[in-house]
Amino acid sequence: QQPVQSPQAVILREGEDAVINCSSSKALYSVHWYRQKHGEAPVFLMILLKGGEQKGHEKISASFNEKKQQSSLYLTASQLSYSGTYFCGTVGNSGYALNFGKGTSLLVTP
Amino acid sequence: SQTIHQWPATLVQPVGSPLSLECTVEGTSNPNLYWYRQAAGRGLQLLFYSIGIDQISSEVPQNLSASRPQDRQFILSSKKLLLSDSGFYLCAFDYRVTGELFFGEGSRLTVL
Repeated sequence: QQPVQSPQAVILREGEDAVINCSSSKALYSVHWYRQKHGEAPVFLMILLKGGEQKGHEKISASFNEKKQQSSLYLTASQLSYSGTYFCGTVGNSGYALNFGKGTSLLVTP
Repeated sequence: SQTIHQWPATLVQPVGSPLSLECTVEGTSNPNLYWYRQAAGRGLQLLFYSIGIDQISSEVPQNLSASRPQDRQFILSSKKLLLSDSGFYLCAFDYRVTGELFFGEGSRLTVL
């Protein structure tokens, strides 16, 4: 039930864009995105619900394709503070708890 | 406001010793409670979740158990630790399935 994230790691220069993908083999009710700094707890970014929506949070946005059971996180004009590990979490139609992928390590360099 | 606390923050235990990690939520009632483990290369692995007292679901067969003696208290235990139990353990809560997860500060366990 663990969603699959890609890429595993990405290195960007400040100002560049990045896309992180998340896919599931099961029908999804919702997709959640979190960011974790080293040694800290994950921090909530956004939730996307069944129905195929797109959300934005400053320069970080995400889309959810319910039919393809996929979600993508878009980071535009990346900042140094964007560095960290990004996790997508999914809740299936018949599930209850949030299952996370293995994460995508993002490093933004000056 | 709602807060979540877990302890201890760090512990080093020998193989075969018992374990008890505690988590308490304040400022809300009847939360959903979760235990996650983060080990190298495996991301955030869901271990247990609870939608109420005495309602605990286990997601992964393992050497651990969970209990919820009170509405806002969640405990992770082991009778005999294994080396593979090492990791960063995170307690979390939310109000509903599609709600935001609020994480505790985490407990880093090293089994030697």
